[in-house]
Amino acid sequence: AQSVAQPEDQVNVAEGNPLTVKCTYSVSGNPYLFWYVQYPNRGLQFLLKYITGDNLVKGSYGFEAEFNKSQTSFHLKKPSALVSDSALYFCAVRQSSGSARQLTFGSGTQLTVLP
Amino acid sequence: DAGVTQSPTHLIKTRGQQVTLRCSPISGHKSVSWYQQVLGQGPQFIFQYYEKEERGRGNFPDRFSARQFPNYSSELNVNALLLGDSALYLCASSLQVGGLYEQYFGPGTRLTVT
Repeated sequence: AQSVAQPEDQVNVAEGNPLTVKCTYSVSGNPYLFWYVQYPNRGLQFLLKYITGDNLVKGSYGFEAEFNKSQTSFHLKKPSALVSDSALYFCAVRQSSGSARQLTFGSGTQLTVLP
Repeated sequence: DAGVTQSPTHLIKTRGQQVTLRCSPISGHKSVSWYQQVLGQGPQFIFQYYEKEERGRGNFPDRFSARQFPNYSSELNVNALLLGDSALYLCASSLQVGGLYEQYFGPGTRLTVT
């Protein structure tokens, strides 16, 4: 079975500071990894994905994520946080082969950027 | 292009009733997936459809069913509603069913069961 852990329910960071939202995963074989963001009363918005290749993936709105196979992690990062980045962030995993193709999501991390 | 659309936006039902939720994917997308998001949790996978065929089913009871139409739109049906079915139901579409394709989500249908 595949699973995702987001160990922090809440992350607070000051505007202009770097931010990190943590994610670790468990999956059989090679993973496909995704980050989504959810604003209040909205659906999920795709930020970025890791399929293969370079371990540092760049996505929308200045976000990037680093894939670390040995630590089974896929942490989301941004060099300089904006107040408008405040939202709920979800990490998701899917195995790259086999019959189980559904996305499995973590429980989410609420990011608050303080002005 | 329009994104994924879902209807209705909000719905209030009574225990034991049945409900149908609708989803239209992004133009050109052939795969639709349904998720249930209970308050304070991440989305849980319910179904995936591709070319009108079920390609995946999550750990949900048989009260939940779905179908996909020739125009790739989809319906999710839930029978014999329970209070625990109260949630945000999300529809997502993707170009293909393969794992590397990201899914694009609609705004969701907020279902309240009283």
